[in-house]
Amino acid sequence: GAVVSQHPSWVICKSGTSVKIECRSLDFQATTMFWYRQFPKQSLMLMATSNEGSKATYEQGVEKDKFLINHASLTLSTLTVTSAHPEDSSFYICSAARRRDGISYEQYFGPGTRLTVT
Amino acid sequence: GIQVEQSPPDLILQEGANSTLRCNFSDSVNNLQWFHQNPWGQLINLFYIPSGTKQNGRLSATTVATERYSLLYISSSQTTDSGVYFCAVIGSGGYQKVTFGTGTKLQVIP
Repeated sequence: GAVVSQHPSWVICKSGTSVKIECRSLDFQATTMFWYRQFPKQSLMLMATSNEGSKATYEQGVEKDKFLINHASLTLSTLTVTSAHPEDSSFYICSAARRRDGISYEQYFGPGTRLTVT
Repeated sequence: GIQVEQSPPDLILQEGANSTLRCNFSDSVNNLQWFHQNPWGQLINLFYIPSGTKQNGRLSATTVATERYSLLYISSSQTTDSGVYFCAVIGSGGYQKVTFGTGTKLQVIP
């Protein structure tokens, strides 16, 4: 159990276009999902925390208008990179949180999306 | 915010050897997970271990929350163990933000 899918797995787009990435928890409901960005040979950097039915909480330095997050249901969150530029090229990873111990949760990760902006 | 450092940053092992990876964190936590990121980028859950000790096959982990560290033990390493190992924590006070460690890159050679 605890499978998370992410689509697309890779995408190439032209500068100025928008790209939408979907994250789905396939066999459990996730009230909270997370979006990360990872540069080559670096750790994961949290971009935003997404709660079902409410606005996402963005980390400092992450542009809300550029990285639009929607958490429409307990199994689906989307990240839209608007007006993408080459510097947005990166590996984007989502995770879905499943409750543990009544107070905390365990994250399960999607396979990631490699975005290349030309 | 909470700082999470992992050591060593890089590790090369002969197949069959044992290793210990360490995760130090700067403040109290109520959530700690270990992950293995394979060469394709997929993060695989190893342990959810905010405290105590757990074992799963050749892997085991111990978290000493009062001393702010966690250890991941890999015994009889195999080439498929290669990749990057991350710990991730959530602090127990205030805004609960997920913070990933710096990672340990493990290469197991035949």
